[in-house]
Amino acid sequence: DAGITQSPRHKVTETGTPVTLRCHQTENHRYMYWYRQDPGHGLRLIHYSYGVKDTDKGEVSDGYSVSRSKTEDFLLTLESATSSQTSVYFCAISTTRGGGSGNEQFFGPGTRLTVL
Amino acid sequence: QQQVKQSPQSLIVQKGGISIINCAYENTAFDYFPWYQQFPGKGPALLIAIRPDVSEKKEGRFTISFNKSAKQFSLHIMDSQPGDSATYFCAATYNTDKLIFGTGTRLQVFP
Repeated sequence: DAGITQSPRHKVTETGTPVTLRCHQTENHRYMYWYRQDPGHGLRLIHYSYGVKDTDKGEVSDGYSVSRSKTEDFLLTLESATSSQTSVYFCAISTTRGGGSGNEQFFGPGTRLTVL
Repeated sequence: QQQVKQSPQSLIVQKGGISIINCAYENTAFDYFPWYQQFPGKGPALLIAIRPDVSEKKEGRFTISFNKSAKQFSLHIMDSQPGDSATYFCAATYNTDKLIFGTGTRLQVFP
């Protein structure tokens, strides 16, 4: 998985609980992304980062926040988890914005989050 | 206009057959169309990609056909094998901006 780790890999939590997911890369890639994957919806972008302390919202950012204090780490926080945030979360990295123009996005192994 | 519509949702093919997955888009500014392959329990990985200045790209058993006028592109898997069983996502992007993914197709290849 291209030097990308995600932690935890599985988590069960209760509604209203704060949750933080971590993405760590050893590739020194500038661009990092958080997606959620749900049946029938494919992969939807939550937040992305173009560098340290440079983040922006994606398609489904409500209820999520991110932080990037180091190149290698990108954290996704659910301030108060809800059942609708039950999903599989993927982190991705790329050498250019969006992974377009022939540069691919490399995905981590995913985190399965269940909110009861 | 930002959507990429993918079909079918699931596909069952016999070993040796041809698997075909279709995608359609509206935004004519899209300039890069990758396909990602995802095995169960793993993250997606780039399989093959095409730009709109060519109508076809082939890599081994995998071919992308691109129809710019119809705003459609498709993935063809020739001689499908059980090891090809996975979920496939088409995607599109423009001006090196964010990737827009289709909803995915679960392919099952039976021996």
